[in-house]
Amino acid sequence: RKEVEQDPGPFNVPEGATVAFNCTYSNSASQSFFWYRQDCRKEPKLLMSVYSSGNEDGRFTAQLNRASQYISLLIRDSKLSDSATYLCVVKPGGKLIFGQGTELSVKP
Amino acid sequence: SAVISQKPSRDICQRGTSLTIQCQVDSQVTMMFWYRQQPGQSLTLIATANQGSEATYESGFVIDKFPISRPNLTFSTLTVSNMSPEDSSIYLCSVEGQGVTREQYFGPGTRLTVT
Repeated sequence: RKEVEQDPGPFNVPEGATVAFNCTYSNSASQSFFWYRQDCRKEPKLLMSVYSSGNEDGRFTAQLNRASQYISLLIRDSKLSDSATYLCVVKPGGKLIFGQGTELSVKP
Repeated sequence: SAVISQKPSRDICQRGTSLTIQCQVDSQVTMMFWYRQQPGQSLTLIATANQGSEATYESGFVIDKFPISRPNLTFSTLTVSNMSPEDSSIYLCSVEGQGVTREQYFGPGTRLTVT
């Protein structure tokens, strides 16, 4: 079993749609959680950290369920510029463990 | 967040040769990390570079193949030694941010192709 598993994707959605990504992790000792965004041929960029109480940043909402070892990312009112690969990242201890990523393509 | 630069941005190398990748940060950082992203794959941590001590390597990565230097708090190098086509990847360095969750920020990466 992979340490971090994500929806395989790709997700193809129209502009304005709401899309949700799910992620599960296996290490119950994980303390920090993140969503990163990676554009084609670019480095990953931090989208948001994920807190136990859930957090929102504009159109983006992240939630964490420690009991189920589950993380989610909700994107509302999708824009063309949201097209990218979204990486679920878990930090058990000092290092980051990356999921395989979910590709999102937002179409006009 | 810190500004991170890497050199070279890309290279094409012959098998059996070695390439040294440089990572420069615009502020002093305690820990620097080196990752590999193979084609179509996600990122895998190679090692953590600590200033003043030997790098800590992850399972499957060894110092002879990926020697790392960390001469000061703003700079590190990763060498890919005796390269084979399987080493064709993007190599990225990263540093920890100052947030409570100790998030990491990545350099632009070095795209390596081994022929």
